[in-house]
Amino acid sequence: NAGVTQTPKFQVLKTGQSMTLQCAQDMNHNSMYWYRQDPGMGLRLIYYSASEGTTDKGEVPNGYNVSRLNKREFSLRLESAAPSQTSVYFCASSEVANTEAFFGQGTRLTVV
Amino acid sequence: DQQVKQNSPSLSVQEGRISILNCDYTNSMFDYFLWYKKYPAEGPTFLISISSIKDKNEDGRFTVFLNKSAKHLSLHIVPSQPGDSAVYFCAAKGLGSARQLTFGSGTQLTVLP
Repeated sequence: NAGVTQTPKFQVLKTGQSMTLQCAQDMNHNSMYWYRQDPGMGLRLIYYSASEGTTDKGEVPNGYNVSRLNKREFSLRLESAAPSQTSVYFCASSEVANTEAFFGQGTRLTVV
Repeated sequence: DQQVKQNSPSLSVQEGRISILNCDYTNSMFDYFLWYKKYPAEGPTFLISISSIKDKNEDGRFTVFLNKSAKHLSLHIVPSQPGDSAVYFCAAKGLGSARQLTFGSGTQLTVLP
């Protein structure tokens, strides 16, 4: 009963470096999400995937790309990291509309 | 433009008393509302939800009230316990352009023993 698993848990990047945050869910959910949490800002949606094969921009997509590799996995890529991307990133998944989303434990990313 | 607003960043209550957390929304396409609880260094966990066809939903000590005409919902915790101390996020989703799950900025609840 792993639920939503994110890797890594912590990461420090230098400005300009790239990296991919991995997310996998074992609940057979159709929808997956990437959020970032910043102080006083709540959880802001970066990208989401309503179903396998589709991705859509959320509120703050600039500087990020995503891949819905299969039904289980949804990755978030930073091509050229910037200090403004220092944040805690959360992946989530849900079944169809009007059900709750389940969250991973988060990835704390620092860009120096 | 925040579509889901939690105007109180923090709230302190005494153990055993009622905690009331408030949330306002602007998008009339939202038809499903959720509350999440978050402890430090953990992911948010689902607490309770309500569909727009209802105006109240209860689960143990937690009750969510929805006032559609005012576009307002609230979470009541009775009685409050020290373990309830956490950040509480309100979230909303709907159809069409509102199908993504949108969160408020959160309210830090502290229950004092």
